[in-house]
Amino acid sequence: KAGVTQTPRYLIKTRGQQVTLSCSPISGHRSVSWYQQTPGQGLQFLFEYFSETQRNKGNFPGRFSGRQFSNSRSEMNVSTLELGDSALYLCASSLEAGSSYEQYFGPGTRLTVT
Amino acid sequence: GQNIDQPTEMTATEGAIVQINCTYQTSGFNGLFWYQQHAGEAPTFLSYNVLDGLEEKGRFSSFLSRSKGYSYLLLKELQMKDSASYLCAVNDYKLSFGAGTTVTVRA
Repeated sequence: KAGVTQTPRYLIKTRGQQVTLSCSPISGHRSVSWYQQTPGQGLQFLFEYFSETQRNKGNFPGRFSGRQFSNSRSEMNVSTLELGDSALYLCASSLEAGSSYEQYFGPGTRLTVT
Repeated sequence: GQNIDQPTEMTATEGAIVQINCTYQTSGFNGLFWYQQHAGEAPTFLSYNVLDGLEEKGRFSSFLSRSKGYSYLLLKELQMKDSASYLCAVNDYKLSFGAGTTVTVRA
């Protein structure tokens, strides 16, 4: 069974631009969660999607948004990029909604904002 | 708020045992995960404790005490490939991660 895939793997953007990251979950998994990982803050929860609905959201500004499609694939968007948005963005999929299920992480998208 | 503490770094010798502690103070608690993350790679699941006590999985064991807000991950018979970051994460309807403990295994 194929794992979680994320595209692109690397991205360089300029301050003020916007970016869209994509995540394809493991086949059969219906929940997708997004995380931001930085050396200073560690892994921080962004949001979780299940059945095309956002179920939970972390403490990030409204510039961070996401959506999920009917095939469970998910995208996250960051608008008006800031230097501090430079991070590794990880998505994770699980069978069902809620954080009680084992999450399988993708390889991440490394975003650099200059 | 969430407060999850783990030591930053630990070093041990191949074949030895290392115990990584995690203490937490969170607004909610439904269980505690341990993940392993090798440098440049995605985190991978190690264990999930919901009830108090010890869960053993081969060379890795995880312990939970809910009344003390405490967990530990025990790595036995250390191998070089165990050099990685170990993350504890509290499930309070979303996952809140500690900063991670970098374990270095020396020959």
